[in-house]
Amino acid sequence: EPEVTQTPSHQVTQMGQEVILRCVPISNHLYFYWYRQILGQKVEFLVSFYNNEISEKSEIFDDQFSVERPDGSNFTLKIRSTKLEDSAMYFCASSDRTENQPQHFGDGTRLSIL
Amino acid sequence: QKEVEQDPGPLSVPEGAIVSLNCTYSNSAFQYFMWYRQYSRKGPELLMYTYSSGNKEDGRFTAQVDKSSKYISLFIRDSQPSDSATYLCAGEGGGNKLTFGTGTQLKVEL
Repeated sequence: EPEVTQTPSHQVTQMGQEVILRCVPISNHLYFYWYRQILGQKVEFLVSFYNNEISEKSEIFDDQFSVERPDGSNFTLKIRSTKLEDSAMYFCASSDRTENQPQHFGDGTRLSIL
Repeated sequence: QKEVEQDPGPLSVPEGAIVSLNCTYSNSAFQYFMWYRQYSRKGPELLMYTYSSGNKEDGRFTAQVDKSSKYISLFIRDSQPSDSATYLCAGEGGGNKLTFGTGTQLKVEL
């Protein structure tokens, strides 16, 4: 069964550095998402992306964050000038070409900011 | 008031038991509801996806939605130790944005 893959599985970064989290969505999907889960807390929506632009973003997704689909297979989340509170699991998800289809998640990248 | 509420558990049941997991929600805009299963250090795995009020069955799993009372349930029949995980409910009310509950931790014991 096709799946969403994320790399790296664990990223350790010094505070203030930039990180890029990478995702390969399911191949025929056109909607892409990023969520995060701080340890012990619920999964929170960050951003949705369709047709090469952001379709919706949460209050968490401020100017520190950006997303990009640099080629036909990858979807990235960039976090500039990381802060301690950015430490979390970051999940990528994708859904099919029609709206309101279920989202399928990757196994996440654990981001640790030191 | 939280948009989606779940009892965090942990819920411990013997193998073979019927498990009932529940969520309440406050956002009337939610049209779609999902149940995900999350194992430790893994991503949410889609179990059930429902739109209308009523029941939807898939193998040992039944999802139930009652929009009038804003209540959603997941039933697991013949529970197995491999069902031990955290179960997340989520609602979606437009813009493909999912709102999750905190999850219920389930442990199925031999």
